[in-house]
Amino acid sequence: AQSVTQLGSHVSVSEGALVLLRCNYSSSVPPYLFWYVQYPNQGLQLLLKYTSAATLVKGINDFEAEFKKSETSFHLTKPSAHMSDAAEYFCAVISVSGGYNKLIFGAGTRLAVHP
Amino acid sequence: GAVVSQHPSRVICKSGTSVKIECRSLDFQATTMFWYRQFPKKSLMLMATSNEGSKATYEQGVEKDKFLINHASLTLSTLTVTSAHPEDSSFYICSARDRWSDTEAFFGQGTRLTVV
Repeated sequence: AQSVTQLGSHVSVSEGALVLLRCNYSSSVPPYLFWYVQYPNQGLQLLLKYTSAATLVKGINDFEAEFKKSETSFHLTKPSAHMSDAAEYFCAVISVSGGYNKLIFGAGTRLAVHP
Repeated sequence: GAVVSQHPSRVICKSGTSVKIECRSLDFQATTMFWYRQFPKKSLMLMATSNEGSKATYEQGVEKDKFLINHASLTLSTLTVTSAHPEDSSFYICSARDRWSDTEAFFGQGTRLTVV
């Protein structure tokens, strides 16, 4: 079964600094990978997705992620953090089970941005 | 992007009562819907998957008699928490996938359930 592991439950950066949130996947087949953001008491918003096209995926709000098969990684980056980026970020992978394509989430990384 | 509306956003109920949460796809036909539960500061745990007109498929460990899921139309799925207890208090999130996609799903804004 497919799964994802997010390294670091909390990440803190200064405003304007590089954001790097780590995600490694486990999959026996080419994976479909996603990054979602969640603000307090809200649902999830899709940042970007990898579906076996380009390995460098650009998403909303200047986020991007690079699929590296050799490292089984799909890390999320943003060149310059804004205060509004403070939120919970989830990496997810599609897992086929019971005839359904299901989204399986990592444990999440809470990003804090300080002035 | 497609819009999924979840209602109510917050609900407080007494122990022993039942609560219904609605999930609607507003601008697309959701052939598949998913229900997740999220504990404080934790990830999302998939509870069940439902296809329109079919019985829901529950994940291991999820009580199907406690968490009743109905997907009666292509735009509406409901989750009913029956005989709710304080340990059922949680954040419940639905997501929906349309007939043209087998990967991407859109999320509702979640429902905060508090059982007192």
